[in-house]
Amino acid sequence: DAGVIQSPRHEVTEMGQEVTLRCKPISGHNSLFWYRQTMMRGLELLIYFNNNVPIDDSGMPEDRFSAKMPNASFSTLKIQPSEPRDSAVYFCASSPTGGIEKLFFGSGTQLSVL
Amino acid sequence: DAKTTQPPSMDCAEGRAANLPCNHSTISGNEYVYWYRQIHSQGPQYIIHGLKNNETNEMASLIITEDRKSSTLILPHATLRDTAVYYCIVRVEKYGQNFVFGPGTRLSVLP
Repeated sequence: DAGVIQSPRHEVTEMGQEVTLRCKPISGHNSLFWYRQTMMRGLELLIYFNNNVPIDDSGMPEDRFSAKMPNASFSTLKIQPSEPRDSAVYFCASSPTGGIEKLFFGSGTQLSVL
Repeated sequence: DAKTTQPPSMDCAEGRAANLPCNHSTISGNEYVYWYRQIHSQGPQYIIHGLKNNETNEMASLIITEDRKSSTLILPHATLRDTAVYYCIVRVEKYGQNFVFGPGTRLSVLP
């Protein structure tokens, strides 16, 4: 299995532009998580999906952030408009259902908003 | 979820055992102890978890005290590739419960 796949690996954009981050979870995993990591705040959960349905989006910082999971094999995190303070590493993780929940993380997207 | 306390950093000599402590004095009876690690520029990686009993897998051993207020992750023969930030997390085993990552312990394995 290729693991959790995120794209792009790096994204540099200008303030005000729309940014879309993509995630392909591990096949058969029913839970998907989006995390953001910064030096100041560490790893923060943004949103959690189970069976493609958003269960907890309390970590989404504001309305500029939105996430979708149209099917079991794809999710997006969109920021519109982007701001310099959104610069961070964004991680996607998936987890299998049944038994103890374990997170499998992707390699992350390094986002820089200028 | 209960909070955890870990030392911010530790050093370990290559080939020696690395013992990483975690304090979780307010842990509830139904909360598990998880350990993850994050190697530079990568996503966190699951290591091990436990409820009451000590656990061992191919990566590490987890020792949980009888009162469950603290635990120790043991890497029996640390290598340079074990240099990473190690996170101790306590969490109710329930889907949708957040994995709350604290600052962790930065382990440096020295040659």
